Amino acid sequence: AQTIHQWPVAEIKAVGSPLSLGCTIKGKSSPNLYWYWQATGGTLQQLFYSITVGQVESVVQLNLSASRPKDDQFILSTEKLLLSHSGFYLCAWSLGGENTLYFGAGTRLSVL
Amino acid sequence: GDQVEQSPSALSLHEGTGSALRCNFTTTMRAVQWFRKNSRGSLINLFYLASGTKENGRLKSAFDSKERYSTLHIRDAQLEDSGTYFCAAEDWTNYNVLYFGSGTKLTVEP
Repeated sequence: AQTIHQWPVAEIKAVGSPLSLGCTIKGKSSPNLYWYWQATGGTLQQLFYSITVGQVESVVQLNLSASRPKDDQFILSTEKLLLSHSGFYLCAWSLGGENTLYFGAGTRLSVL
Repeated sequence: GDQVEQSPSALSLHEGTGSALRCNFTTTMRAVQWFRKNSRGSLINLFYLASGTKENGRLKSAFDSKERYSTLHIRDAQLEDSGTYFCAAEDWTNYNVLYFGSGTKLTVEP
């Protein structure tokens, strides 16, 4: 059975500090991978997607970057956090064709 | 986002009754998905539709791409159906990008 694991579960970080959030999918080969973000009280927005290892497409510019170093791993990062980066980050996967999305448990980020 | 308008934003039902949630799209969409938020804030997929209708238990969803809307019907609502429901649509220009509605908070009361 496929599993999706996100880490960390929650983070409290200072403005200007670096950030790295991770997502691992097991049990599926070559999934499409996605990062989503929701500000408190806001609508869920797609940030990035990746169809294959090493290739990442940006959807919304939020001074964040993403990488896919392995087939089953998707990383979201920034070197300098802003207050506006606070929120809930969700990783998701799908298979090509019918893009039914399956989400991870999420990471809650507070930037102070 | 702006491409998806979800209504109502909040809905209150008595146990055993039913209602419908609706998403209108500003453009023709390739497919729609419906999700429910779980207790931790993550999303559980309820339906994926490229056309027509699908049913699962007391939930039924419909998608009309030409008329630019999708609905999620809940019948015989139970207390455990309470929660927040979201629709999300992929358009024809890039189906790897999903546009989410703002959610409907459903409260089922005894």
